[in-house]
Amino acid sequence: ETGVTQTPRHLVMGMTNKKSLKCEQHLGHNAMYWYKQSAKKPLELMFVYSLEERVENNSVPSRFSPECPNSSHLFLHLHTLQPEDSALYLCASSQSSEGTQYFGPGTRLLVL
Amino acid sequence: DQQVKQNSPSLSVQEGRISILNCDYTNSMFDYFLWYKKYPAEGPTFLISISSIKDKNEDGRFTVFLNKSAKHLSLHIVPSQPGDSAVYFCAARDGNNRKLIWGLGTSLAVNP
Repeated sequence: ETGVTQTPRHLVMGMTNKKSLKCEQHLGHNAMYWYKQSAKKPLELMFVYSLEERVENNSVPSRFSPECPNSSHLFLHLHTLQPEDSALYLCASSQSSEGTQYFGPGTRLLVL
Repeated sequence: DQQVKQNSPSLSVQEGRISILNCDYTNSMFDYFLWYKKYPAEGPTFLISISSIKDKNEDGRFTVFLNKSAKHLSLHIVPSQPGDSAVYFCAARDGNNRKLIWGLGTSLAVNP
């Protein structure tokens, strides 16, 4: 498999649930990102990992918890989300934290 | 306040004609600009970029023009093809913190 993959592609969860989003990149990149895309808003950068270390956290609520166990995998752990967290969550990777970013297909999340 | 603005939410063009997508920015510290294309149910894919030290970059049917004095860039697609129908995002990199700032996107429809 090539490129950046994300699972699941769609997720519906209740506000009390705990779920995780998974991202995997097969490009040999060293940096990975989580973005949130809400309707009628620009892409919002949530987290950046470079060489498995978190280098950026853009004031994201603690109900979103990222994990980067190695340079190929990135997780976003979700718990006690709110309906306004419903959005498309995109993962991206790049050769370095300044390189061109390559995106996965996204996870469409609906919080009920 | 949005630093990267794509003022046209949508654009419709006839096949074979030129498509011109526009992007305005406010931050003079942006040093690199990128265009991404996004099909439904897919993540954004990198299309073309331009450094702030250049005023034009061309790649096949795609050309990006940068007018620094006007803080304006545009993406030209010629000739337009139905497969070019997608949402096009403009993104700019802040030379200070290296963050990418995204526009809201312009939905292009190329009609056969």
